[in-house]
Amino acid sequence: ELKVEQNPLFLSMQEGKNYTIYCNYSTTSDRLYWYRQDPGKSLESLFVLLSNGAVKQEGRLMASLDTKARLSTLHITAAVHDLSATYFCAVDRWGAQKLVFGQGTRLTINP
Amino acid sequence: SAVISQKPSRDICQRGTSLTIQCQVDSQVTMMFWYRQQPGQSLTLIATANQGSEATYESGFVIDKFPISRPNLTFSTLTVSNMSPEDSSIYLCSVEVPPGVAEAFFGQGTRLTVV
Repeated sequence: ELKVEQNPLFLSMQEGKNYTIYCNYSTTSDRLYWYRQDPGKSLESLFVLLSNGAVKQEGRLMASLDTKARLSTLHITAAVHDLSATYFCAVDRWGAQKLVFGQGTRLTINP
Repeated sequence: SAVISQKPSRDICQRGTSLTIQCQVDSQVTMMFWYRQQPGQSLTLIATANQGSEATYESGFVIDKFPISRPNLTFSTLTVSNMSPEDSSIYLCSVEVPPGVAEAFFGQGTRLTVV
């Protein structure tokens, strides 16, 4: 059974600081996704990582994938309040496009 | 990218009743997926809906409780039957990723509250 684990589950940080969210998964997968969810809203796609060593960046967010370690990271640089949200990673189960989600990381960025 | 529309966006329902959620996509897709997000929790796949065949349900979900229709390649419905407060969740539909596209698109979700 594919399991996806994120840590930390809760993260409170100050503006201007850097931090990393970790996503571990238990079996081989073709794709890894990062999503953002604001309270009461649907999922906003941030990144899709397809291969070992993939790195993608958008603004203050950077995601990377190590398929050998079954680990993805979402790095936040010089955080700003607008990045406060819950972040999910998800792994594509058997390439069947059935996503298994991590528990989510609730990120709060304080002025 | 696919545009997915869900209706209703939210509803408050009495226990024991049923609610049907609609999902419309702007292009033809073979597979559509229904997920549930309970309050404060992550997303869990309920079932996969293929056009022309019965939906495939994940462990813990049954057709009697969550009947699904898939009448054509752009539309699906999920019914939450005989609702109880434990069914209060956000329900989201998603669609398969076309060849060459790496995204997994979600509708805006239906926020259901059962009282």
